[in-house]
Amino acid sequence: QQQVKQSPQSLIVQKGGISIINCAYENTAFDYFPWYQQFPGKGPALLIAIRPDVSEKKEGRFTISFNKSAKQFSLHIMDSQPGDSATYFCAASPSGGGANSKLTFGKGITLSVRP
Amino acid sequence: NAGVTQTPKFQVLKTGQSMTLQCAQDMNHEYMSWYRQDPGMGLRLIHYSVGAGITDQGEVPNGYNVSRSTTEDFPLRLLSAAPSQTSVYFCASSPRDTDNEQFFGPGTRLTVL
Repeated sequence: QQQVKQSPQSLIVQKGGISIINCAYENTAFDYFPWYQQFPGKGPALLIAIRPDVSEKKEGRFTISFNKSAKQFSLHIMDSQPGDSATYFCAASPSGGGANSKLTFGKGITLSVRP
Repeated sequence: NAGVTQTPKFQVLKTGQSMTLQCAQDMNHEYMSWYRQDPGMGLRLIHYSVGAGITDQGEVPNGYNVSRSTTEDFPLRLLSAAPSQTSVYFCASSPRDTDNEQFFGPGTRLTVL
């Protein structure tokens, strides 16, 4: 049973547009929700993360929106650029007891930003 | 700091062979993890460690062994490689006292024939 589900599976956006990637989770014990960005041939790198005590977090052009009652969170990339073209993973983990060593990842989505 | 390093970058094995994927970090992180990445599957946790001498299983541990004798190193052993273990393997580390960020290595691409 997949605990973290991403949608859509792939996304093509024009330069300057808004990219929106959604994620849904099932385990109510999850309370840390990061998004990772991965370029071809590289390891994933943390982009932005949120905890459920806030509904939104913004860092530059990247925003996470969190809906605890719906068990959903999303990544918004404003003013999308060709350099944002990468694979994006949402993930989740519970707190405590080494939780930050055992993330549960979604399947990933490939974003292509057209010039 | 070199961060998280993994060796080798690429490896080809025959079915039944054994090998060890190496992972080291120089950030004095307590937590370390191994993930595998397969097309359309995302990253799946194999094993993890919360400190030297302490390891536990993740989502897909079968066919893999780990040990953690030092804070810096966390090797992953394949005892008898199978084609189903063809994948890209990532090692990650994280400190205990921050907001859960994991730092990933560059990965090892393994092919089992």
